[in-house]
Amino acid sequence: QQQVKQSPQSLIVQKGGISIINCAYENTAFDYFPWYQQFPGKGPALLIAIRPDVSEKKEGRFTISFNKSAKQFSLHIMDSQPGDSATYFCAASKPGANNLFFGTGTRLTVIP
Amino acid sequence: GAVVSQHPSRVICKSGTSVKIECRSLDFQATTMFWYRQFPKQSLMLMATSNEGSKATYEQGVEKDKFLINHASLTLSTLTVTSAHPEDSSFYICSAIWGLREQYFGPGTRLTVT
Repeated sequence: QQQVKQSPQSLIVQKGGISIINCAYENTAFDYFPWYQQFPGKGPALLIAIRPDVSEKKEGRFTISFNKSAKQFSLHIMDSQPGDSATYFCAASKPGANNLFFGTGTRLTVIP
Repeated sequence: GAVVSQHPSRVICKSGTSVKIECRSLDFQATTMFWYRQFPKQSLMLMATSNEGSKATYEQGVEKDKFLINHASLTLSTLTVTSAHPEDSSFYICSAIWGLREQYFGPGTRLTVT
């Protein structure tokens, strides 16, 4: 059972455009929602994370939007660049248990 | 952020042999580390949670006698794949908790069993 559902599976965006990746969860016990970026053959790198007490968090070109009532959260990449081409994973964890439940991943391609 | 290293980055072994993968937290102490497995173009699958000084907790379906985990110090956890078979070929990634909740991943180890 996939505890965190992620879409789309793949995404192609023009350079300078906005990339949007969506995730949804069912378990209301989740209280920590990180996003990871992974390049081929590398480990995932923590991009940005949010807790449910805020609706939005921004770090540079990356923004997480969080909708607690809808149990959804999304990653927005502004001014997307070819170097952003990678696979992005959303995840969630519960308090007191740090193991992450991952989404299925989104393969982003930014074309020049 | 925190840095987690893994060694080796790639390993090729013959079927039936064992291989050890090391995971180190370089600039912080980690009481808890995690081991994941990732197949091509798929998500990360948690294999086990490694706690310093105690036995690892394995996820359902993961053979603890095949995937031996030892977390002997606050900066080192090891995963030993025993009697490896070609179906064990995969990308193995470890992670460690830094601070309150941030989980940092190592660069991964590509295991190929021939």
